[in-house]
Amino acid sequence: EDQVTQSPEALRLQEGESSSLNCSYTVSGLRGLFWYRQDPGKGPEFLFTLYSAGEEKEKERLKATLTKKESFLHITAPKPEDSATYLCAVQAGDSWGKLQFGAGTQVVVTP
Amino acid sequence: EAEVAQSPRYKITEKSQAVAFWCDPISGHATLYWYRQILGQGPELLVQFQDESVVDDSQLPKDRFSAERLKGVDSTLKIQPAELGDSAMYLCASSSRGVGGEQYFGPGTRLTVT
Repeated sequence: EDQVTQSPEALRLQEGESSSLNCSYTVSGLRGLFWYRQDPGKGPEFLFTLYSAGEEKEKERLKATLTKKESFLHITAPKPEDSATYLCAVQAGDSWGKLQFGAGTQVVVTP
Repeated sequence: EAEVAQSPRYKITEKSQAVAFWCDPISGHATLYWYRQILGQGPELLVQFQDESVVDDSQLPKDRFSAERLKGVDSTLKIQPAELGDSAMYLCASSSRGVGGEQYFGPGTRLTVT
């Protein structure tokens, strides 16, 4: 059965204090690994798709990397506006395209 | 920038009543998804449409939930009768392609069943 586990559950950072979020997964035939950002009371906002081990993508202060068993979301010099829940999801090769999500990591960045 | 539209944004209903949610995907997106998200958890797929056809409804509680996308554009998700355990955020997403494609989410409908 496909599984996605995110850690830590919550992360509190000082502004400028870089850190990494982890997403470990087991899936039959990975078609893609997706990162989303979700603000309270809103729908998830798409950030990145990674398709193969070794792939990296960047957007502003965020960088996502992928290995065969896990993905990392690195936040460099975070600002308070980076506070959100970050969701990781996988898409299996034997699915029609549904995303299997982890429970998310809640990030709070204080000034 | 094109967005997924959902209505209503909030809905409060009593248990045993019927409730319906509406979704209008990004123009041209053939694939439409309905997810349910319980507070503190990630979204879980309820049903997936490819054009007007259901391709995955394995997690849809079919005794009380129904979904349709009659003309392959907008979609409606219905619950009848609603139960206390249905309280959650209902999210609609669309994609230009199924496997491998990014899914773009709407703002969601927050349902509270009393």
